[in-house]
Amino acid sequence: SAVISQKPSRDICQRGTSLTIQCQVDSQVTMMFWYRQQPGQSLTLIATANQGSEATYESGFVIDKFPISRPNLTFSTLTVSNMSPEDSSIYLCSAGGANVLTFGAGSRLTVL
Amino acid sequence: TQLLEQSPQFLSIQEGENLTVYCNSSSVFSSLQWYRQEPGEGPVLLVTVVTGGEVKKLKRLTFQFGDARKDSSLHITAAQPGDTGLYLCAGAWSGGSNYKLTFGKGTLLTVNP
Repeated sequence: SAVISQKPSRDICQRGTSLTIQCQVDSQVTMMFWYRQQPGQSLTLIATANQGSEATYESGFVIDKFPISRPNLTFSTLTVSNMSPEDSSIYLCSAGGANVLTFGAGSRLTVL
Repeated sequence: TQLLEQSPQFLSIQEGENLTVYCNSSSVFSSLQWYRQEPGEGPVLLVTVVTGGEVKKLKRLTFQFGDARKDSSLHITAAQPGDTGLYLCAGAWSGGSNYKLTFGKGTLLTVNP
């Protein structure tokens, strides 16, 4: 299965700023996804990162708040814009084939 | 929105005990996956089940997919401290994308030595 590297692994940010999380996969993958995991909670899908086109967002998530790039089949970024303390969470990148999802280690974001 | 109910939410047991975690839905899933997540790491896939009634074993872990493909269970025999972690079930629902998963809330398992 693919190996996924995410950075930063953690960051502390000020309210109102933006942070971009990078996700690198060691092989070309068709599907890449971004999830959010709040402390002690399960995973919620933010969006599907589509290569060469706009990301597909889930209900409750919008492009202005979580812009996503997918310039090629091995790389994607997620930006958390105009952050508030409610955005404090772990953000996980994943890549998948049929019935298999591989996750990065996550980026733990704390917003003060 | 497809929902997965996972239970129990928390489980603390002694080494050597057996346990079962349940995952239920009102929807039919085309496949269901179980993951384990340790602190500071992303979830790691344990198994995927796709056929109703399917049973898969991974050492001391036994996974079962319900006949109607609406529920699943994870049974751990003789639990060890190394089994400690967050166990998540995730389903891909029939009629949707097999790549888009809905996750249960997770079961936080602690195995005490």
